[in-house]
Amino acid sequence: RKEVEQDPGPFNVPEGATVAFNCTYSNSASQSFFWYRQDCRKEPKLLMSVYSSGNEDGRFTAQLNRASQYISLLIRDSKLSDSATYLCVVNKWAGNMLTFGGGTRLMVKP
Amino acid sequence: DVKVTQSSRYLVKRTGEKVFLECVQDMDHENMFWYRQDPGLGLRLIYFSYDVKMKEKGDIPEGYSVSREKKERFSLILESASTNQTSMYLCASSGIAGGPIQQETQYFGPGTRLLVL
Repeated sequence: RKEVEQDPGPFNVPEGATVAFNCTYSNSASQSFFWYRQDCRKEPKLLMSVYSSGNEDGRFTAQLNRASQYISLLIRDSKLSDSATYLCVVNKWAGNMLTFGGGTRLMVKP
Repeated sequence: DVKVTQSSRYLVKRTGEKVFLECVQDMDHENMFWYRQDPGLGLRLIYFSYDVKMKEKGDIPEGYSVSREKKERFSLILESASTNQTSMYLCASSGIAGGPIQQETQYFGPGTRLLVL
């Protein structure tokens, strides 16, 4: 089983739609969780950290369910510019090392 | 803003050549990482370093070595390049400069696309 699993997609949605991605992780000792965004042929960039209480940043909402070991990302009112691959990221037990999921590809169509 | 730079965006080498990939960060970060990214396999950690002259193997260190002589610079070395090392190589850094909550956040360089013929 992969340490961090994501549906690779692609998710094809029209502009304005709401779309949600889930990610599951295997290490119950993980303490830190993130969503990164990666545009085509570019480097990953931090989108948002995921806190236990859930957090929101504009159109983006992240949730953490420790009991079920999954993380979600909700994007409301999708924009064409949201088209990218979204990487679910979880820290390993050993300090500053992170484990990256394979990514979920989102394509927002006009 | 954190800036991580990599010496080359694109590189073409021949099998058996020694290849050096350089990474420099300007945030005084303690931790630096080298990943490779391949379609369907995601990002895989090759080596990381948490201090000058310190290095630790990641998940796929075979065929690679690293060097960290200065805090801001982390080099990845392919001793004898092979075709299966054709990939996108990404360097990242993290550290306490961003504060205790952000210290695990990794900041990536633009990547080096290496083609080994």
